[in-house]
Amino acid sequence: AQSVSQHNHHVILSEAASLELGCNYSYGGTVNLFWYVQYPGQHLQLLLKYFSGDPLVKGIKGFEAEFIKSKFSFNLRKPSVQWSDTAEYFCAVLSNSGYALNFGKGTSLLVTP
Amino acid sequence: EAGVAQSPRYKIIEKRQSVAFWCNPISGHATLYWYQQILGQGPKLLIQFQNNGVVDDSQLPKDRFSAERLKGVDSTLKIQPAKLEDSAVYLCASSLDGSGVFSYEQYFGPGTRLTVT
Repeated sequence: AQSVSQHNHHVILSEAASLELGCNYSYGGTVNLFWYVQYPGQHLQLLLKYFSGDPLVKGIKGFEAEFIKSKFSFNLRKPSVQWSDTAEYFCAVLSNSGYALNFGKGTSLLVTP
Repeated sequence: EAGVAQSPRYKIIEKRQSVAFWCNPISGHATLYWYQQILGQGPKLLIQFQNNGVVDDSQLPKDRFSAERLKGVDSTLKIQPAKLEDSAVYLCASSLDGSGVFSYEQYFGPGTRLTVT
C-alpha cells in the first residue's frame, strides 16, 4: 500500500525563519500527494496537492511543495513563517484502492514571536 | 457552502459501553469517509462509502465497529463495546465523487473526540 513518512515530529521556529518539512512516499509509480494543515481547534484543511505536471506546487498562505521523483520526496516549504502558522502539518498520499488518504504521522510546528 | 457536520464534538464513556457518532457531509458529495486519529498519529481510514455502498472497510475492526450510510447522505459510526484503545478523534470527510482523480478532494469535519475510561 502507498504510504508516506514524515521525519520531523516537532519543529520550533522563530517568526520570519524559513520552513521545510520533510515527506517521503513509498510507491514508485504514479502518486497523488497532499499536504493538510490543522490549526489549533480547527479541522483539517488542504494546503496543496500534486497530481502531475509542474513538480513545484503552490498552495494557500504562501506554502509550496516540490515533488522530486528521484528522491521519493514531497517536502513542504515556506520562506518566512508567521506565528499564525503554528499548527499540525500532515503529508498524505491518495491510495490506489478507493481514493482514501494515507496520512503520515504529522509534524507539529510551533512558531515563536 | 456548509461544511461537514459532526456530532457530538466530545464524548466520554466507560469501557464496554457503546457510543455512536453522526456525520452529515457536504450536500451533493457522493463519497464519505470515516477516519480514526489517535493522539500523535495521522488519521487512519476506517471506512469509505460511495453513496450508500461500502468501498473500503478493510481497516474497520468489525467485531466492535459498525457504520452505515442510509440513503447515501448522512452516516453513523458505532462502537460496541468500546475499549480503552478506542480513545481517539473520529473524523468524517466527504468528497464530490471518489471515482475521478480531480473530484477526490476531501473536506473534513471538526471531529468527535472520544475518551474511553
